Amino acid sequence: EPEVTQTPSHQVTQMGQEVILRCVPISNHLYFYWYRQILGQKVEFLVSFYNNEISEKSEIFDDQFSVERPDGSNFTLKIRSTKLEDSAMYFCASSETSGGQETQYFGPGTRLLVL
Amino acid sequence: GQSLEQPSEVTAVEGAIVQINCTYQTSGFYGLSWYQQHDGGAPTFLSYNALDGLEETGRFSSFLSRSDSYGYLLLQELQMKDSASYFCAVRAGAGANNLFFGTGTRLTVIP
Repeated sequence: EPEVTQTPSHQVTQMGQEVILRCVPISNHLYFYWYRQILGQKVEFLVSFYNNEISEKSEIFDDQFSVERPDGSNFTLKIRSTKLEDSAMYFCASSETSGGQETQYFGPGTRLLVL
Repeated sequence: GQSLEQPSEVTAVEGAIVQINCTYQTSGFYGLSWYQQHDGGAPTFLSYNALDGLEETGRFSSFLSRSDSYGYLLLQELQMKDSASYFCAVRAGAGANNLFFGTGTRLTVIP
């Protein structure tokens, strides 16, 4: 069964450093998402991406964050200058279409720890 | 804006039935979804309700009452592997693709 993959599974970085989290969505999916989950809390939406541009973003997704689809398979989230509060699990998700009953498929996540 | 309320924890016995409730307040309503998340794992889609009533998928069923802004997930014949967190989620708005998740309910199944 097709699945969303993410690398790395764990990332430790120093505050102020840049990190890039990578995702390979399911191949025939057109909509891509990044969510984050701080330990013990709910899943929070960051950004959605369609047709090579951001379609929606939350208040969390400030100027420190950016997303890119550098080629036909990868979808990346960059955090330019990490802060302690960026420590969380970051999930990539994808869906074939949008809206209604469309299921979003989540990757296994990247656990980011900022020291 | 949106808010979804769920009980924080539920404990049930193996083989029993458990109901996890979700009440929501949204500026528009575009369906209620349920996701399961095991510790350290990714959210996994379970079910979706757009209309009032019960949707059944194997041991799991989900119910929606739009007039009451309320839904629930029903798990039958509980198994130990059902121990996980369960999140209800709504679409954030008209034309929105992103999901807004509830606070999550941690289900513990005991022997």
